[in-house]
Amino acid sequence: DVKVTQSSRYLVKRTGEKVFLECVQDMDHENMFWYRQDPGLGLRLIYFSYDVKMKEKGDIPEGYSVSREKKERFSLILESASTNQTSMYLCASGGAVSGTQYFGPGTRLTVL
Amino acid sequence: GQQVMQIPQYQHVQEGEDFTTYCNSSTTLSNIQWYKQRPGGHPVFLIQLVKSGEVKKQKRLTFQFGEAKKNSSLHITATQTTDVGTYFCAGERGSARQLTFGSGTQLTVLP
Repeated sequence: DVKVTQSSRYLVKRTGEKVFLECVQDMDHENMFWYRQDPGLGLRLIYFSYDVKMKEKGDIPEGYSVSREKKERFSLILESASTNQTSMYLCASGGAVSGTQYFGPGTRLTVL
Repeated sequence: GQQVMQIPQYQHVQEGEDFTTYCNSSTTLSNIQWYKQRPGGHPVFLIQLVKSGEVKKQKRLTFQFGEAKKNSSLHITATQTTDVGTYFCAGERGSARQLTFGSGTQLTVLP
């Protein structure tokens, strides 16, 4: 079974803090993705990576950065958290062949 | 950029009634995927459709991909309480197989 884990289920941070969200997958997938999920907006792609040290902007990258130093790990960084970044953050991984994405349990981030 | 619209946003049905959610893309899709997210859970892959006009079935669920590969639908026959959740369609794009998700249809099944 594919397993995608995220470092926290719930996180509360203050405005201006630097926030790290980590994601680890155990299926040797090439592709990894970070989404945010907000009511009525579905899942929106923030950043993705198709290889170690490679990263590409998704649809809403502003205010975020990412790091992929190892194939199994993909980190999302909020350099200076703001209240409009309060959301559910979902990490996913997927193979280069099948295209199916496997999601982690999500991190619900609240920025006060 | 690519946009994927999904309707309805919410649907309440009595147990035993049928349910359908529809998905439309602004561009032709190479394939379309469907995911289900249970309340409090994360999206889980259901199926992928690749061919124009393709129809696939999983028990009471029927998935269709339009002839022009720009629209898709998911139909559930005789809903059960276990069908509760949000159903998302997602169109694939790009070399890393990025997905553009629809906004989802939240299904409530009343016993």
